[in-house]
Amino acid sequence: GQQLNQSPQSMFIQEGEDVSMNCTSSSIFNTWLWYKQDPGEGPVLLIALYKAGELTSNGRLTAQFGITRKDSFLNISASIPSDVGIYFCAGQGSYSGAGSYQLTFGKGTKLSVIP
Amino acid sequence: KAGVTQTPRYLIKTRGQQVTLSCSPISGHRSVSWYQQTPGQGLQFLFEYFSETQRNKGNFPGRFSGRQFSNSRSEMNVSTLELGDSALYLCASSLVPLWGDEQYFGPGTRLTVT
Repeated sequence: GQQLNQSPQSMFIQEGEDVSMNCTSSSIFNTWLWYKQDPGEGPVLLIALYKAGELTSNGRLTAQFGITRKDSFLNISASIPSDVGIYFCAGQGSYSGAGSYQLTFGKGTKLSVIP
Repeated sequence: KAGVTQTPRYLIKTRGQQVTLSCSPISGHRSVSWYQQTPGQGLQFLFEYFSETQRNKGNFPGRFSGRQFSNSRSEMNVSTLELGDSALYLCASSLVPLWGDEQYFGPGTRLTVT
């Protein structure tokens, strides 16, 4: 099946620093999604990307749909303490037949911000 | 407006039993998708319903099933529970199928199988 490699697994940064994380795959995806999950809560959709090469921003967050359609990147600028959490990427793959698309998730990047 | 609600929030079941989880989407949302989250496997997509029809399905055995009612509320059923089914089960709702921009998750149901 389709797999996503998300890196880094975890990162510790100083408040105010910029953050970058990415997801790569050997499979092609038609849609990339980025989520943030806080402890004890469901994920929150941050950014959705629909076209190869697309660059989309949501406040201090910027995500890009890789031109090969096999990767995506998320950048967070000027991090603040509330950015702490686990960030997940997800890719929607091609139509797999039997009337079904697949949504595949990365394992997550745990972000810690040091004040 | 009210968010996505899931009931119950916590559940303990015994191996071999079956369980039904409920998800009430945001008013006006017609798509409901279900996910399993475990420490080992992470987040995995189970299935998605739109207008009472299952539109998309992940790679889970037939013991996992679901349905959606005319008011868009959805239920997920797991039969013959196994220890490995212990997980946080999340549902999400959106206006349109296939994970549109306006997708919102509920807080999840924590299922423990003993």
